[in-house]
Amino acid sequence: ETGVTQTPRHLVMGMTNKKSLKCEQHLGHNAMYWYKQSAKKPLELMFVYSLEERVENNSVPSRFSPECPNSSHLFLHLHTLQPEDSALYLCASSQDYWQGADGYTFGSGTRLTVV
Amino acid sequence: AQSVTQLGSHVSVSEGALVLLRCNYSSSVPPYLFWYVQYPNQGLQLLLKYTTGATLVKGINGFEAEFKKSETSFHLTKPSAHMSDAAEYFCAVRAPTSNTGKLIFGQGTTLQVKP
Repeated sequence: ETGVTQTPRHLVMGMTNKKSLKCEQHLGHNAMYWYKQSAKKPLELMFVYSLEERVENNSVPSRFSPECPNSSHLFLHLHTLQPEDSALYLCASSQDYWQGADGYTFGSGTRLTVV
Repeated sequence: AQSVTQLGSHVSVSEGALVLLRCNYSSSVPPYLFWYVQYPNQGLQLLLKYTTGATLVKGINGFEAEFKKSETSFHLTKPSAHMSDAAEYFCAVRAPTSNTGKLIFGQGTTLQVKP
């Protein structure tokens, strides 16, 4: 089983739908991250959780709502999205948010298409 | 604050040719440095990292990178490109001690390998 698992891998949703993306890590890490990756654009850090507490929220629209019920699970709840929200959403984890020589471990991502 | 610049958003090489992907960083202290690779519709995978010690680090798939403090660079190289190396490559920097020790990613470089 891979270290960081994201489900679903692909999601097509209408602008009025509500859906959730799930991320699970089995590495014993304390920090988890949501990134958005759009075509021709750099990685955008959306949210960061450290020890289940949100420590970063980078001006993300309220139609994206994160949830971290425990250190192993991270969700991204989606509602009333726009077509420009179509992107690859990546989850990552690391041993510690504040410092450390480790990098991040990424999941395979969820390809979201808003129609 | 740390920052990272990848020179060239797109690099094209012939199969068997040398691969050189450039990365320069800005940091007030010697940082931790990383290279990640991303294949289409996949997450980012760690290729190699520099933390301390030997400045030439070897990674997976025959890649290596050299930390040059005087040039603030961490360029990625591979002696002979394979078709399977075609992917997006990201350089990242992290402060060794910081109140916000998160990874800072470069814009990415797309490597094309021509037969």
